[in-house]
Amino acid sequence: GENVEQHPSTLSVQEGDSAVIKCTYSDSASNYFPWYKQELGKRPQLIIDIRSNVGEKKDQRIAVTLNKTAKHFSLHITETQPEDSAVYFCAASRSGNRDDKIIFGKGTRLHILP
Amino acid sequence: GAGVSQSPRYKVAKRGQDVALRCDPISGHVSLFWYQQALGQGPEFLTYFQNEAQLDKSGLPSDRFFAERPEGSVSTLKIQRTQQEDSAVYLCASSPLAGGSFEQYFGPGTRLTVT
Repeated sequence: GENVEQHPSTLSVQEGDSAVIKCTYSDSASNYFPWYKQELGKRPQLIIDIRSNVGEKKDQRIAVTLNKTAKHFSLHITETQPEDSAVYFCAASRSGNRDDKIIFGKGTRLHILP
Repeated sequence: GAGVSQSPRYKVAKRGQDVALRCDPISGHVSLFWYQQALGQGPEFLTYFQNEAQLDKSGLPSDRFFAERPEGSVSTLKIQRTQQEDSAVYLCASSPLAGGSFEQYFGPGTRLTVT
């Protein structure tokens, strides 16, 4: 079945440095790739998403890149701040079909070190 | 405006009991999803509704799990004869458009503990 692999499971970076989280997906028909941030005890919230017709998208300190040929996509956070500490989930889905499920990765726990 | 709400927020059930978890999506949202999130894991898809139609229930782990959204608004996830492995946070999410390829707005979840 469809699968999304996410790495690393835990990531610690110094405040101000960059963080990169990588995901691969198995369903070549996937065409929508969101990233969610989940703070401890809170609900997941969308931080950025990308569709298959673009290779890169940026929103302030956050950027996502997509390589459809290799079936992988990455989240880049620059100039990290303490409030970036959270669990980040990548996900993949395909639209245009009745079974529009979304498959999440297992998450990356990001620690921003002071 | 009001976001997605879920009730109860916490539920403790003895093994073998039936439970019902409620989700109130954002008003007017077409799509509604249920997920199961085990500790330290990502949300695992359970089922998807487009209005009142359950279009995908492939993620339901067994026939003890049943979901409904009879009027295309509020949804209920029912788990019969609960087992310890059912302990998890159950998340509901809604989206204004049909399908899974748009931002989903998550509820706070219901933490189910089966003893």
